[in-house]
Formats: sequence, structure tokens, C-alpha cells
Amino acid sequence: AQSVSQHNHHVILSEAASLELGCNYSYGGTVNLFWYVQYPGQHLQLLLKYFSGDPLVKGIKGFEAEFIKSKFSFNLRKPSVQWSDTAEYFCAVNSYNTDKLIFGTGTRLQVFP
Amino acid sequence: GAVVSQHPSWVICKSGTSVKIECRSLDFQATTMFWYRQFPKQSLMLMATSNEGSKATYEQGVEKDKFLINHASLTLSTLTVTSAHPEDSSFYICSARDFGDEKLFFGSGTQLSVL
Repeated sequence: AQSVSQHNHHVILSEAASLELGCNYSYGGTVNLFWYVQYPGQHLQLLLKYFSGDPLVKGIKGFEAEFIKSKFSFNLRKPSVQWSDTAEYFCAVNSYNTDKLIFGTGTRLQVFP
Repeated sequence: GAVVSQHPSWVICKSGTSVKIECRSLDFQATTMFWYRQFPKQSLMLMATSNEGSKATYEQGVEKDKFLINHASLTLSTLTVTSAHPEDSSFYICSARDFGDEKLFFGSGTQLSVL
């Protein structure tokens, strides 16, 4: 069965620090990969996604993620976080031929000014 | 951008009562909607896939008679938790796929507390 692991449950950073959130998945076939963000009191929204092509994906608000197939990983990065990046971040995967998203447990990011 | 409206945002009910949660796509047609449940400090777990005009497809372990799903139109899916019990207390989120461009949008979620 597919599963998604997010290693960091709670991350606390100061503004301007660099961010990397880990995400590993287990599935042997072709996958689509996603990072979603949920700001306090708001909906889940798509941050970025990988379907195919360049494994380095750039998303909104300066975020990027790199798909490393050999490591089954899709880590999220941002060189310099801002206070407004405080949110919950979810990694998700679906296999190529289905609509079903499998989510990780989420990482709560707190950024202090 | 496309919006998915989910109501109510929170509900408290007595054990044994039924609760209906609505999920509406406001400016697009959604042939497929998904219902997720999230327990504290756990990931979102897919409960069922709701297809307009046909029966919902439930994930393994989800009781279809307890979690009734109706997707009667291209803009509305409802989840009814029947005879709710305290163990059904959870955060329920719907998502809808935009038929036009295949994007997926999420509702704001419903926090259900069963006393």
C-alpha cells in the first residue's frame, strides 16, 4: 500500500533561516507528488506539484521541491522563510492512474520574527 | 480562483444523532469530490470518492451505512454521519476536482464533536 512519511512534525525557525521539510513515499510505480499548505484558519491549498519532467519543481511564494526517484523523496525547500510562512505543510502522493491522494501527517512550521 | 465551500465549519451534536456536512464547488463543475477525515496529529485519510450521479466508492474500513454520501449535482456533495458516536469526532475535509482543468480544491473542513 502507498504511504507518505513526513519526518518533521514541528519545525521552529527564525525569519531568514533556510527550510527543508522531508517527505518520503512508498510506491513502486509512477507517482504524482504534491505539497499542500494550510495557513491558520484557511483552506488547504496547493503549493507545488510534480508530474513529470524536471525533478526540481518551483512553486508559489519561493518554495521549491526536488523529486529524487532513487530515494523516493520529495523534500520541500525555501532559502529564506518569512513569518507569513507559518502554517501546516502536507506532502501527498497519488499513483499515476488514480485520483486518490495519500497524505503525510503534516509538518507544523512556526516562524518567529 | 476556484472555491470549495464546506458547511458547517464546526458542529457539536449528541451521541446518536445524525449530522450532514455540505461541500459545494462555487464556480466550477465537479464531477468528482473526495471526503477525508483527519484525527489529531494524524494525516488526512481518504474516506470515499463521490461521483456525480452514481454511488460513492468507499475506502476499505469505512462503513458506507454510517457515512452516507450523496452527490446529486455537479456542484454539491453531502456527507451524513448517521447515529454519530464520540469516536466519530474528527475533522472532515472535502475536495473537488475541477472538471475543466483537473485541478483539485479543498474545502475549509468541518470539526465534528460528538458528546
